[in-house]
Amino acid sequence: QVQLVQSGAEVKKPGASVKVSCKASGYTFTSYGISWVRQAPGQGLEWMGWISAYNGNTNYAQKLQGRVTMTTDTSTSTAYMELRSLRSDDTAVYYCARDEDGSYVDYWGQGTLVTVSS
Amino acid sequence: QLVLTQSPSASASLGASVKLTCTLSSGHSSYAIAWHQQQPEKGPRYLMKLNSDGSHSKGDGIPDRFSGSSSGAERYLTISSLQSEDEADYYCQTWGTGILVFGGGTKLTVL
Repeated sequence: QVQLVQSGAEVKKPGASVKVSCKASGYTFTSYGISWVRQAPGQGLEWMGWISAYNGNTNYAQKLQGRVTMTTDTSTSTAYMELRSLRSDDTAVYYCARDEDGSYVDYWGQGTLVTVSS
Repeated sequence: QLVLTQSPSASASLGASVKLTCTLSSGHSSYAIAWHQQQPEKGPRYLMKLNSDGSHSKGDGIPDRFSGSSSGAERYLTISSLQSEDEADYYCQTWGTGILVFGGGTKLTVL
């Protein structure tokens, strides 16, 4: 069965960086993309960007351009999302999700809580 | 601009049916969407992909009580025989060139 298992919770200070991992199993990793979605406390879902696991192509949400980098390691079927220059409003649960080539997501990771606090 | 609009809240009684609506912005009425469910304190779960002609394909293990339909720019999620575990936030999601978009979500209360 398809599974996306994310790394554990993080606490960071403002200005720092965080890197969240997402290990995929149960399907051919390079046949799909991975989208990253975040959810601030009490808020809705916000799409952050997408990476093709086939060729590494990326699309990032405009508001995060310059602060976010998404990568994959096909040898371990793992996707990564790094967010830099963290601010308090980056505090959120971060989800990875399997993406049908930049269209809809059909499987979700369990989420990673990132807390930004001084 | 590609935007999805959802009512913030809905309610229905246990055992009844409810129809949630997601509206595509002007010029995007042919777009397919996906529906996702997020139960309290849990991560989202994919329910189905819904095309503009009303055809839909559900995710693994999604009960027959969940169905989708379309009319113009509106996309619907109908839940029949409501159960307590259906109380959740429901998000619609679509995509364009290089972007994915989520609606604001509808909080469903089962009375």
